[in-house]
Amino acid sequence: QKEVEQNSGPLSVPEGAIASLNCTYSDRGSQSFFWYRQYSGKSPELIMSIYSNGDKEDGRFTAQLNKASQYVSLLIRDSQPSDSATYLCAVNDNTDKLIFGTGTRLQVFP
Amino acid sequence: DAGVTQSPTHLIKTRGQQVTLRCSPKSGHDTVSWYQQALGQGPQFIFQYYEEEERQRGNFPDRFSGHQFPNYSSELNVNALLLGDSALYLCASSFLYNEQFFGPGTRLTVL
Repeated sequence: QKEVEQNSGPLSVPEGAIASLNCTYSDRGSQSFFWYRQYSGKSPELIMSIYSNGDKEDGRFTAQLNKASQYVSLLIRDSQPSDSATYLCAVNDNTDKLIFGTGTRLQVFP
Repeated sequence: DAGVTQSPTHLIKTRGQQVTLRCSPKSGHDTVSWYQQALGQGPQFIFQYYEEEERQRGNFPDRFSGHQFPNYSSELNVNALLLGDSALYLCASSFLYNEQFFGPGTRLTVL
């Protein structure tokens, strides 16, 4: 059974701080890794994808991948109250099927 | 450029009934995947369609079936509805093995 694990949270950070979200996965054959943001009552929105070890930056978001440790993370710099949402980690083993974690709820307070 | 669209937005059915959900992929996408998301959980993969064929399937019973049309749009059918089928049903489209983009979802309530 391929699994993706996330801390359910909530993770509470003050406005302007760095939020760090973590995810581990069980299948060493996993090739593609994604972070989706989901606001309450809405559908998931893709915010980052990463395919190779290291860091990938896009605006205030940085995704980090370590395949040896089977670990992927998302950093959100200068967190804003509008970043408050559930962040879903998803992994693709190249069968094009996404396996999701249960999500981490992030709360950014003013 | 229209994104992924789904219909209907909400649906209420009773146990034993059948339901059909519809999805139109993002322009340029040829693959449609369906997911079920229960409250407080991550989306669970139901199946995926490519070139009008079911390419792979998750751990869902045969009551869940689907179809893809020549214009790449897709339907998800669920027969003999159970209370446990109440969930948000998400359609995601992609091109080949690239990133998947989700539609707004259909909220199904089974009474």
